[in-house]
Amino acid sequence: SQQGEEDPQALSIQEGENATMNCSYKTSINNLQWYRQNSGRGLVHLILIRSNEREKHSGRLRVTLDTSKKSSSLLITASRAADTASYFCATSLAGGTSYGKLTFGQGTILTVHP
Amino acid sequence: DGGITQSPKYLFRKEGQNVTLSCEQNLNHDAMYWYRQDPGQGLRLIYYSQIVNDFQKGDIAEGYSVSREKKESFPLTVTSAQKNPTAFYLCASSTERQGRNYGYTFGSGTRLTVV
Repeated sequence: SQQGEEDPQALSIQEGENATMNCSYKTSINNLQWYRQNSGRGLVHLILIRSNEREKHSGRLRVTLDTSKKSSSLLITASRAADTASYFCATSLAGGTSYGKLTFGQGTILTVHP
Repeated sequence: DGGITQSPKYLFRKEGQNVTLSCEQNLNHDAMYWYRQDPGQGLRLIYYSQIVNDFQKGDIAEGYSVSREKKESFPLTVTSAQKNPTAFYLCASSTERQGRNYGYTFGSGTRLTVV
């Protein structure tokens, strides 16, 4: 079964609104990462948050991590039509090598209407 | 520019045929990975390699084979034993700096279709 599960599966908003996606996971992690995928393309790394961090920012992105609840959220502020894509969380499990394999969730499809 | 190159972009396979997907990186990354993506689903790990001449099975390795003879190259062969090979295949690489990983770099993918 997938280690990470995103919620919601699909999100539709207007340009300028904020978009929040959530990710839950089952076992202890070393780090959690968020990726973006435009239709038919490869994934692009957005942000990595380590298990000892609670919040990180990168431009219009804000990621939080709550290890007690085994969950993370990705907030995209002031969304643009160009943000339309699928967003995936991925976890690197604790106890393995620090650049070991990632386990991906099923993704959230974000549609931003102009 | 550094990056990962996957080829071909589209590939058609006949029943019973083996096909090989190419993945080359010039990022000097140590680790390379192959993932499979089915429509509307997340990525599932097929094989990964952390060092030349060594690789490990992922979650869905049956019907696939790989080699890692050079640091830059990690080709994936989809054999006739893979009963449902139609999917989008993604190659990725990663490395560590000062003991920390900074995420994967992905190629643009190969879409394989059985005809």
